[in-house]
Amino acid sequence: SAVISQKPSRDICQRGTSLTIQCQVDSQVTMMFWYRQQPGQSLTLIATANQGSEATYESGFVIDKFPISRPNLTFSTLTVSNMSPEDSSIYLCSVARTGLTDTQYFGPGTRLTVL
Amino acid sequence: GENVEQHPSTLSVQEGDSAVIKCTYSDSASNYFPWYKQELGKRPQLIIDIRSNVGEKKDQRIAVTLNKTAKHFSLHITETQPEDSAVYFCAAADTGNQFYFGTGTSLTVIP
Repeated sequence: SAVISQKPSRDICQRGTSLTIQCQVDSQVTMMFWYRQQPGQSLTLIATANQGSEATYESGFVIDKFPISRPNLTFSTLTVSNMSPEDSSIYLCSVARTGLTDTQYFGPGTRLTVL
Repeated sequence: GENVEQHPSTLSVQEGDSAVIKCTYSDSASNYFPWYKQELGKRPQLIIDIRSNVGEKKDQRIAVTLNKTAKHFSLHITETQPEDSAVYFCAAADTGNQFYFGTGTSLTVIP
Protein backbone atom coordinates (compact mmCIF):
# COMPACT_ATOMS: atom_id res chain seq x y z
CA SER A 1 0.00 0.00 0.00
CA ALA A 2 1.05 3.61 -0.57
CA VAL A 3 2.49 5.84 2.13
CA ILE A 4 0.23 8.87 2.43
CA SER A 5 0.89 11.99 4.45
CA GLN A 6 -1.25 15.02 5.16
CA LYS A 7 -0.37 18.48 6.39
CA PRO A 8 -1.34 19.94 8.75
CA SER A 9 -2.40 17.14 11.07
CA ARG A 10 -4.63 19.57 12.94
CA ASP A 11 -5.42 23.25 13.05
CA ILE A 12 -7.59 25.73 14.86
CA CYS A 13 -8.82 28.54 12.63
CA GLN A 14 -10.90 31.66 12.92
CA ARG A 15 -14.23 32.07 11.23
CA GLY A 16 -13.97 33.61 7.77
CA THR A 17 -10.43 32.44 7.06
CA SER A 18 -9.25 29.67 4.71
CA LEU A 19 -7.07 26.62 5.25
CA THR A 20 -5.25 24.57 2.64
CA ILE A 21 -4.65 20.90 3.39
CA GLN A 22 -1.95 19.00 1.55
CA CYS A 23 -1.91 15.32 0.65
CA GLN A 24 1.33 13.68 -0.50
CA VAL A 25 1.77 10.10 -1.73
CA ASP A 26 5.08 8.27 -2.04
CA SER A 27 4.22 6.83 -5.45
CA GLN A 28 2.17 7.80 -8.48
CA VAL A 29 -1.52 7.07 -8.18
CA THR A 30 -4.30 7.51 -10.67
CA MET A 31 -7.08 8.53 -8.31
CA MET A 32 -7.09 10.87 -5.32
CA PHE A 33 -10.16 11.67 -3.28
CA TRP A 34 -11.10 14.05 -0.50
CA TYR A 35 -13.50 13.04 2.28
CA ARG A 36 -15.01 14.73 5.29
CA GLN A 37 -15.72 12.86 8.50
CA GLN A 38 -17.66 14.66 11.18
CA PRO A 39 -17.29 13.42 14.77
CA GLY A 40 -18.88 10.01 15.23
CA GLN A 41 -20.03 9.92 11.62
CA SER A 42 -19.23 8.06 8.45
CA LEU A 43 -17.09 9.26 5.57
CA THR A 44 -18.59 11.65 3.04
CA LEU A 45 -16.92 12.12 -0.31
CA ILE A 46 -16.29 15.78 -1.13
CA ALA A 47 -14.68 15.39 -4.53
CA THR A 48 -12.43 13.38 -6.79
CA ALA A 49 -9.20 15.21 -7.57
CA ASN A 50 -8.41 14.73 -11.25
CA GLN A 51 -4.85 15.24 -12.43
CA GLY A 52 -4.69 17.97 -15.05
CA SER A 53 -8.37 18.86 -14.93
CA GLU A 54 -11.01 20.21 -12.60
CA ALA A 55 -12.10 18.17 -9.63
CA THR A 56 -15.42 16.34 -9.72
CA TYR A 57 -17.59 17.44 -6.80
CA GLU A 58 -20.32 15.50 -5.05
CA SER A 59 -23.76 16.87 -4.40
CA GLY A 60 -23.66 19.47 -1.64
CA PHE A 61 -20.04 20.48 -2.22
CA VAL A 62 -18.98 23.32 -4.51
CA ILE A 63 -15.70 24.47 -5.95
CA ASP A 64 -15.91 27.95 -4.46
CA LYS A 65 -16.06 26.51 -0.95
CA PHE A 66 -13.66 23.58 -1.47
CA PRO A 67 -11.21 24.35 -4.27
CA ILE A 68 -8.96 21.41 -5.08
CA SER A 69 -5.69 21.19 -6.95
CA ARG A 70 -3.98 18.10 -8.38
CA PRO A 71 -0.82 19.28 -10.11
CA ASN A 72 0.71 15.80 -10.49
CA LEU A 73 0.18 12.11 -9.72
CA THR A 74 1.51 12.28 -6.15
CA PHE A 75 0.08 15.49 -4.68
CA SER A 76 -3.22 17.23 -4.08
CA THR A 77 -4.54 20.10 -1.98
CA LEU A 78 -7.96 20.86 -0.57
CA THR A 79 -8.80 24.38 0.56
CA VAL A 80 -11.63 25.03 2.98
CA SER A 81 -12.67 28.60 2.22
CA ASN A 82 -14.46 31.22 4.27
CA MET A 83 -14.72 28.81 7.17
CA SER A 84 -17.53 28.62 9.68
CA PRO A 85 -17.85 26.44 12.81
CA GLU A 86 -19.89 23.98 10.73
CA ASP A 87 -16.71 23.19 8.78
CA SER A 88 -15.12 21.74 11.92
CA SER A 89 -14.41 18.17 10.94
CA ILE A 90 -11.72 15.69 9.97
CA TYR A 91 -10.65 15.92 6.35
CA LEU A 92 -9.08 12.84 4.80
CA CYS A 93 -7.51 12.22 1.45
CA SER A 94 -7.49 8.78 -0.08
CA VAL A 95 -5.75 7.28 -3.08
CA ALA A 96 -6.30 4.43 -5.50
CA ARG A 97 -3.62 3.16 -7.83
CA THR A 98 -5.80 2.58 -10.85
CA GLY A 99 -8.83 4.20 -12.41
CA LEU A 100 -10.78 0.96 -12.21
CA THR A 101 -12.56 -0.30 -9.12
CA ASP A 102 -9.64 -0.37 -6.75
CA THR A 103 -8.82 -0.30 -3.09
CA GLN A 104 -8.62 3.15 -1.52
CA TYR A 105 -6.00 3.89 1.11
CA PHE A 106 -6.47 6.79 3.46
CA GLY A 107 -4.18 9.49 4.72
CA PRO A 108 -3.98 10.19 8.45
CA GLY A 109 -6.46 13.06 8.27
CA THR A 110 -6.50 16.72 9.21
CA ARG A 111 -8.54 17.69 12.26
CA LEU A 112 -9.95 21.15 11.71
CA THR A 113 -11.59 23.26 14.41
CA VAL A 114 -13.19 26.55 13.43
CA LEU A 115 -13.90 29.06 16.20
CA GLY B 1 -27.14 6.45 -6.60
CA GLU B 2 -25.95 3.69 -4.32
CA ASN B 3 -27.33 3.41 -0.77
CA VAL B 4 -25.44 1.34 1.78
CA GLU B 5 -27.07 0.43 5.07
CA GLN B 6 -25.08 -1.03 7.94
CA HIS B 7 -26.25 -2.83 11.08
CA PRO B 8 -25.89 -2.83 14.00
CA SER B 9 -24.66 0.64 14.88
CA THR B 10 -23.15 -0.64 18.12
CA LEU B 11 -22.09 -4.14 19.09
CA SER B 12 -20.65 -5.47 22.35
CA VAL B 13 -19.25 -8.98 22.59
CA GLN B 14 -17.29 -10.92 25.17
CA GLU B 15 -13.69 -11.63 24.36
CA GLY B 16 -13.45 -14.87 22.42
CA ASP B 17 -16.95 -14.63 20.98
CA SER B 18 -17.75 -13.90 17.36
CA ALA B 19 -18.97 -10.60 15.92
CA VAL B 20 -21.03 -10.17 12.76
CA ILE B 21 -21.72 -6.87 11.00
CA LYS B 22 -24.12 -6.72 8.06
CA CYS B 23 -24.45 -4.33 5.14
CA THR B 24 -26.94 -4.07 2.32
CA TYR B 25 -26.56 -2.15 -0.90
CA SER B 26 -29.02 -1.02 -3.54
CA ASP B 27 -27.12 -0.76 -6.84
CA SER B 28 -26.63 -4.07 -8.64
CA ALA B 29 -23.74 -2.46 -10.56
CA SER B 30 -21.61 -2.34 -7.39
CA ASN B 31 -18.85 -4.90 -7.70
CA TYR B 32 -16.33 -4.19 -4.95
CA PHE B 33 -16.97 -4.33 -1.21
CA PRO B 34 -14.19 -3.29 1.19
CA TRP B 35 -14.29 -3.21 4.97
CA TYR B 36 -12.38 -0.63 6.98
CA LYS B 37 -11.46 -0.53 10.65
CA GLN B 38 -11.04 2.84 12.29
CA GLU B 39 -9.56 3.13 15.75
CA LEU B 40 -10.15 6.28 17.72
CA GLY B 41 -8.19 9.18 16.26
CA LYS B 42 -6.73 7.07 13.47
CA ARG B 43 -7.29 6.73 9.75
CA PRO B 44 -9.62 4.06 8.31
CA GLN B 45 -7.59 0.97 7.46
CA LEU B 46 -8.60 -1.71 5.00
CA ILE B 47 -8.99 -5.06 6.73
CA ILE B 48 -10.57 -7.19 4.03
CA ASP B 49 -12.36 -6.78 0.72
CA ILE B 50 -14.35 -8.90 -1.71
CA ARG B 51 -15.27 -8.58 -5.34
CA SER B 52 -18.57 -9.57 -6.88
CA ASN B 53 -17.22 -12.71 -8.54
CA VAL B 54 -16.43 -14.26 -5.13
CA GLY B 55 -18.86 -15.43 -2.46
CA GLU B 56 -16.56 -15.59 0.54
CA LYS B 57 -13.07 -14.57 1.56
CA LYS B 58 -11.14 -15.30 4.74
CA ASP B 59 -8.05 -13.85 6.32
CA GLN B 60 -7.19 -15.49 9.64
CA ARG B 61 -9.95 -14.47 12.11
CA ILE B 62 -11.75 -12.23 9.63
CA ALA B 63 -14.09 -13.30 6.86
CA VAL B 64 -16.45 -11.54 4.49
CA THR B 65 -19.41 -13.09 2.71
CA LEU B 66 -21.31 -11.67 -0.25
CA ASN B 67 -24.78 -12.50 -1.48
CA LYS B 68 -25.21 -10.70 -4.80
CA THR B 69 -28.79 -11.84 -5.27
CA ALA B 70 -29.89 -10.41 -1.97
CA LYS B 71 -27.45 -7.48 -2.25
CA HIS B 72 -25.93 -7.93 1.16
CA PHE B 73 -22.49 -8.64 2.55
CA SER B 74 -21.25 -9.34 6.04
CA LEU B 75 -18.09 -9.13 8.11
CA HIS B 76 -17.37 -11.97 10.51
CA ILE B 77 -14.74 -11.72 13.23
CA THR B 78 -14.06 -14.87 15.21
CA GLU B 79 -12.26 -15.26 18.54
CA THR B 80 -12.56 -11.54 19.19
CA GLN B 81 -9.84 -9.76 21.15
CA PRO B 82 -9.87 -6.38 22.93
CA GLU B 83 -7.76 -4.92 20.11
CA ASP B 84 -10.63 -5.60 17.72
CA SER B 85 -12.54 -2.80 19.45
CA ALA B 86 -13.00 -0.04 16.86
CA VAL B 87 -15.50 1.40 14.41
CA TYR B 88 -15.99 -0.72 11.30
CA PHE B 89 -17.22 0.69 7.99
CA CYS B 90 -18.44 -1.23 5.00
CA ALA B 91 -18.46 0.28 1.51
CA ALA B 92 -19.71 -0.54 -1.95
CA ALA B 93 -18.09 0.65 -5.16
CA ASP B 94 -18.90 0.45 -8.84
CA THR B 95 -16.64 0.68 -11.87
CA GLY B 96 -16.31 4.43 -11.34
CA ASN B 97 -14.41 3.68 -8.13
CA GLN B 98 -16.72 5.88 -6.09
CA PHE B 99 -17.06 4.40 -2.62
CA TYR B 100 -20.36 4.57 -0.79
CA PHE B 101 -19.81 4.01 2.91
CA GLY B 102 -22.11 2.55 5.50
CA THR B 103 -22.84 4.43 8.70
CA GLY B 104 -20.38 2.44 10.79
CA THR B 105 -20.53 -0.10 13.62
CA SER B 106 -18.85 0.59 16.93
CA LEU B 107 -17.55 -2.76 18.19
CA THR B 108 -16.57 -3.18 21.81
CA VAL B 109 -14.87 -6.40 22.92
CA ILE B 110 -15.23 -6.87 26.65
CA PRO B 111 -12.25 -8.61 28.30
